[in-house]
Amino acid sequence: EVQLEQSGAEVKKPGESLKISCKGSGNNFPSHWIGWVRQMPGKGLEWMGVIYLDNSDTRYSPSFQGQVTISADKSINTAYLQWSSLKASDTATYYCVRRASWHVDYWGQGTLVTVSS
Amino acid sequence: QSALTQPASVSGSPGQSITISCTGTSSDIGGYNFVSWYQQHPGRAPTLIIYAVSNRPSGVSHRFSGSKSGNTASLTISALQADDEADYYCSSYTGDTPLGGVFGGGTKLTVL
Repeated sequence: EVQLEQSGAEVKKPGESLKISCKGSGNNFPSHWIGWVRQMPGKGLEWMGVIYLDNSDTRYSPSFQGQVTISADKSINTAYLQWSSLKASDTATYYCVRRASWHVDYWGQGTLVTVSS
Repeated sequence: QSALTQPASVSGSPGQSITISCTGTSSDIGGYNFVSWYQQHPGRAPTLIIYAVSNRPSGVSHRFSGSKSGNTASLTISALQADDEADYYCSSYTGDTPLGGVFGGGTKLTVL
């Protein structure tokens, strides 16, 4: 059984940095693309980027390129999403997902990030 | 603006069938058989209900079915139940982004 366990909710101030995590379990986990999906309050789903754990090949959506950094530690089956300077508009729930072929077969429970002064 | 267009809302009574459409272009839905659908209940993470246009993952009810015609994909839910009330998102492969995938804007299903 594949599970994606995300780090807990965060409350930050504008300008602060943040790194959230997603630890995966299950067979052959590194041989999959792990992605991050943003859902702003009351809004839809948006792809942010994906990383292939085995070799850390990373792709970003044009909307998020330069705004966030996606990384991974294959040795502990963990992917990360980080910001160097948060904005109020980064307030959202962030889902870690596993991509199989061209669909998402597993979702993490979500990490709520609140950015407020 | 989402690349895939879904109606904002649909509704139906228990026992009825409803269909949610998802319209794209020949660069996404029309060009590939990689359409998927996700169900999201309030406050919960989405879950996969249809992949590769019409395939159901293990454990998903047979009341959910998917299809595609040209640039439009459809999700049909038969014999509506109260628990089907949720948001539904379509997704498709597209060669137009580095990620290869795009979501629809989502449809709120209300069971009357």
